[in-house]
Amino acid sequence: EAEVAQSPRYKITEKSQAVAFWCDPISGHATLYWYRQILGQGPELLVQFQDESVVDDSQLPKDRFSAERLKGVDSTLKIQPAELGDSAMYLCASSFRAGDNEQFFGPGTRLTVL
Amino acid sequence: LAKTTQPISMDSYEGQEVNITCSHNNIATNDYITWYQQFPSQGPRFIIQGYKTKVTNEVASLFIPADRKSSTLSLPRVSLSDTAVYYCLVGALNSGYSTLTFGKGTMLLVSP
Repeated sequence: EAEVAQSPRYKITEKSQAVAFWCDPISGHATLYWYRQILGQGPELLVQFQDESVVDDSQLPKDRFSAERLKGVDSTLKIQPAELGDSAMYLCASSFRAGDNEQFFGPGTRLTVL
Repeated sequence: LAKTTQPISMDSYEGQEVNITCSHNNIATNDYITWYQQFPSQGPRFIIQGYKTKVTNEVASLFIPADRKSSTLSLPRVSLSDTAVYYCLVGALNSGYSTLTFGKGTMLLVSP
C-alpha cells in the first residue's frame, strides 16, 4: 500500500538553528499539506500545495517558516531560526485532489528544540 | 469554518460498542462530516465520511440525523487496539482547498 514518506523521523536542534523536513507524498496525489501538532492538541494546518503552487499558507509563520514543492512532487518545510515553541510533531499529508477530505498522513517528524 | 465539539475522553471495555458523538451546530450545506483516528506517534488515519443518514464501512458506522447538527461515530466490539484519539471534522468537498480543522479530539481508552 502506498504511503507518505517523511524524514527525518526525529530531530533535535538548538534554538536559533535551522531545520528542514522532507515529505514525499503518495504518487499521483496533487495536493500536499504540512501540519504542526503540539502534544495534546489536534494537527494545525500550516500550508497546503496544489501541485507546485501554494493554495493556503495563512497559518504559516512566514518570518521563520518556509515551504516549497518545486516540481509538484516532494516538499520541504524549513524553520530558520528554530525557537523553543517550535517543538512539536510535523506531519505531512497528501490527497488526490484539493479539497478531498480523505487525507493520507505520513508518520511525522518529531522536533525538539533545546 | 464549522466548529465541532466532542468529549475529551471516553472509557470502554473490550467487546463493547462505543459511540462518540460530535456536535457541529454551524455546519454548512456543503459540508461533509469526516472522522479520523490517531495512534500515539503516528499521523491521523481517515476512518469514515458522510453527509446525511448513515454510512457504514468495515471499520465503523457514522450516524447523521436529519438536521446534521451532530453526528455519532460507532465502533462495534472495540478491542485494545482501538485505543486512540478520534477526531470529528466538518469541511466542504472539492472546494479547491482543504477546509478541515482538527480540534482536540476524543481520547478513547479501551481496557481488558
